Amino acid sequence: EVQLLESGGGLVQPGGSLRLSCAASGFTFSTYTMNWVRQAPGKGLEWVSAVSGGGDVTFYSDSVKGRFTISRDNSKNTMFLQMNSLRVEDTAVFYCAKDETGRGYFDYWGQGTLVTVSS
Amino acid sequence: DIVMTQTPLSLSVTPGQPASISCKSSQSLLENDGKIYLYWYLQKPGQSPQLLISEVSNRFSGVPDRFSGSGSGTDFTLKISRVEAEDVGVYYCMQSKQLPRTFGQGAKVEIK
Repeated sequence: EVQLLESGGGLVQPGGSLRLSCAASGFTFSTYTMNWVRQAPGKGLEWVSAVSGGGDVTFYSDSVKGRFTISRDNSKNTMFLQMNSLRVEDTAVFYCAKDETGRGYFDYWGQGTLVTVSS
Repeated sequence: DIVMTQTPLSLSVTPGQPASISCKSSQSLLENDGKIYLYWYLQKPGQSPQLLISEVSNRFSGVPDRFSGSGSGTDFTLKISRVEAEDVGVYYCMQSKQLPRTFGQGAKVEIK
């Protein structure tokens, strides 16, 4: 059974940093592109970032480029999102999602972890 | 960025009746490989999103056949032939022809 479990969310002040993790199980983790998608309170879905199976290719939305860094440790079946220079508008539930085809086929999602940026 | 526009944003449906959600993209989603990378996701209340439809019309494993997707180019439609109580939630279309992946605003389906 595929499982994705996010952790690392919490309350942080503007300008602060946070590192999210997504622990995966039930599939060959290194084979698949993984993504972060976020959802601000009461709002819609926003794609944030993606990392290739090998971890060598990464993509970011313009809203986080230069502030967030996506990575993965295939030996630990875990993906990360290092978030620096956090802004109030980064407040959201962050979901990790497995991409079956590398083209947006998000077949499995985690339960999400809440990041709150507030003073 | 490709802008995805959904209509309506909210609909209230009597159980057993059909429902339809439109999704329009600001540019064609037809890729050079001949595929159209348009997906539909459903986010039930209090849950994570779940995949319903891939590449316009392919139902994901376990998705009931009352759900169907159609469309081409820039205009797409998700149809529920007979709405059931478990279908409530917010439906999102998403394109992956190009980065960044972009979602529609979401269409909230409620039961009358």
